[in-house]
Amino acid sequence: DVKVTQSSRYLVKRTGEKVFLECVQDMDHENMFWYRQDPGLGLRLIYFSYDVKMKEKGDIPEGYSVSREKKERFSLILESASTNQTSMYLCASSWATGGNTGELFFGEGSRLTVL
Amino acid sequence: GDSVTQMEGPVTLSEEAFLTINCTYTATGYPSLFWYVQYPGEGLQLLLKATKADDKGSNKGFEATYRKETTSFHLEKGSVQVSDSAVYFCALRVSGGYNKLIFGAGTRLAVHP
Repeated sequence: DVKVTQSSRYLVKRTGEKVFLECVQDMDHENMFWYRQDPGLGLRLIYFSYDVKMKEKGDIPEGYSVSREKKERFSLILESASTNQTSMYLCASSWATGGNTGELFFGEGSRLTVL
Repeated sequence: GDSVTQMEGPVTLSEEAFLTINCTYTATGYPSLFWYVQYPGEGLQLLLKATKADDKGSNKGFEATYRKETTSFHLEKGSVQVSDSAVYFCALRVSGGYNKLIFGAGTRLAVHP
């Protein structure tokens, strides 16, 4: 089974802190994604990566950056956390063109609270 | 741009009731369409998909038919169970590669015994 592992299920940070969210997948997927999930808004794409060191902005990249130094690992970075970044963050991975199903495989999520 | 609109929840049903969750989309071309489910405390997982007009996706008793003429992909189940309580997301795959998905807002389903 595909496993996407997010490093922290729950984090509490203070305004202005630098925050790292880590995601690791074990299926040698080319694509990795970071979404944030908010009630009433669904999932919104922050950034994605289609190869090592390659990244593309999603729909809401402001205030975030990403890093992909190894194929299996994709990190989301909040340079200076703000209260409006309190949210659930979901990492996902997939094959380059989605494979047979086009499926994204999701981690369990990281719930970040910024005080 | 591409978008997905789902009916607002929560939807509350009794066990064995019929379920419909409406989903419509706006997209250029003919996107692949998906339903994902998120059980409490878990990440999203694929429930079913359809890749072209008139395709019917099905899984675990759930069904959805890709209707190009109405740009819809409504989720249905004939008899829901308490274990179906979850949040359901409709999604479409954006054209242009990279397997990017756009998700709807999600619909929370609560099934009571």
